[in-house]
Amino acid sequence: DTAVSQTPKYLVTQMGNDKSIKCEQNLGHDTMYWYKQDSKKFLKIMFSYNNKELIINETVPNRFSPKSPDKAHLNLHINSLELGDSAVYFCASSQERRAIMGYTFGSGTRLTVV
Amino acid sequence: DAKTTQPPSMDCAEGRAANLPCNHSTISGNEYVYWYRQIHSQGPQYIIHGLKNNETNEMASLIITEDRKSSTLILPHATLRDTAVYYCIVRVVGAGSYQLTFGKGTKLSVIP
Repeated sequence: DTAVSQTPKYLVTQMGNDKSIKCEQNLGHDTMYWYKQDSKKFLKIMFSYNNKELIINETVPNRFSPKSPDKAHLNLHINSLELGDSAVYFCASSQERRAIMGYTFGSGTRLTVV
Repeated sequence: DAKTTQPPSMDCAEGRAANLPCNHSTISGNEYVYWYRQIHSQGPQYIIHGLKNNETNEMASLIITEDRKSSTLILPHATLRDTAVYYCIVRVVGAGSYQLTFGKGTKLSVIP
């Protein structure tokens, strides 16, 4: 069983389109995250949700809208895609009240905007 | 969270111990030291963490200096599959920080 699963694994789309990436965790964790890794390989947090509540929203364009229907899911919707949105997006989860054991990451979604 | 400093890259011969250093001179008393790694094209993977004492698990050992200003991750018998970027991260746990901040890490190359 995959602990943190993201779909799709690859996404190629044209500029201006709207797309969604889905994330699900089966670890019973209470906090989920989206990270972006650009071409320079720098991993940067975008959003953090704790018990379906938005906790962290870094300086991300408002074209990016996370949605957490329940504690096990955190989806990322992106409107009006731009070339600069091309990156690998990683979902992660943790049990923040007992976050000693660290975060579990998904395998990533490689988004290419053409 | 305190800042960490790591060498940008290191090489290690296969089968030898890989010792990855990390400087965290501004660490505060309630901050833990975490190590993650990212193998090419995969998501980051938790390795180990510690507060004051040295720690060991099936993947690695973590040695933290007595003043806690630096630490070393030890992979006792490096294999080619250990080639990855290794991140040393310092953070408070359970205080609602709700994020893990990655630096540039150390790119470890295990050489046959």
